[in-house]
Amino acid sequence: DQQVKQNSPSLSVQEGRISILNCDYTNSMFDYFLWYKKYPAEGPTFLISISSIKDKNEDGRFTVFLNKSAKHLSLHIVPSQPGDSAVYFCAASPDSSYKLIFGSGTRLLVRP
Amino acid sequence: GAGVSQTPSNKVTEKGKYVELRCDPISGHTALYWYRQSLGQGPEFLIYFQGTGAADDSGLPNDRFFAVRPEGSVSTLKIQRTERGDSAVYLCASSLGGGDNNEQFFGPGTRLTVL
Repeated sequence: DQQVKQNSPSLSVQEGRISILNCDYTNSMFDYFLWYKKYPAEGPTFLISISSIKDKNEDGRFTVFLNKSAKHLSLHIVPSQPGDSAVYFCAASPDSSYKLIFGSGTRLLVRP
Repeated sequence: GAGVSQTPSNKVTEKGKYVELRCDPISGHTALYWYRQSLGQGPEFLIYFQGTGAADDSGLPNDRFFAVRPEGSVSTLKIQRTERGDSAVYLCASSLGGGDNNEQFFGPGTRLTVL
């Protein structure tokens, strides 16, 4: 039973356009959400996070939106750059604890 | 500074053998985590250490899996009587503390292949 779902295994976007990656979760006890980026042969690297008390967090080209009623979050990258091409994982944490529960990832390709 | 390092980067073993995977966390990080990532999936939590003690080992799939962190720094994940289903990338992460939004820094992983 997947508690964190990323239903799009892949996404292709033109350079300069917006990339939108989506994530759904089922557990209403999750109160902290994160996005990680992963390049081949490397470990995931932290990108951006959001607490459940907020609905938006922005860091440069990256913005995460949280819709608690829909149990949905999204990552917006604008403008997209070829170097953004990677696998993006959504993760959630219950009760601000240590345990991260990951989705299955979305592979983003930004075409030059 | 140095990030999380894991050795070996690749390990090929035969079914039934014993393997040890090592993790060197970032210096000063008291919390250490092991995750397992199977093909096409996201990382799956295995175990969490705070200092030398395993604070949560609820993710270990069965008693063939065991992890230690005797001095509160380096950790070793041990797998006995390996099975083909154990093939995966084993990721280690560390953070300054545990809980409360402490960012977890991941190592590059050890790719384990059980033939």
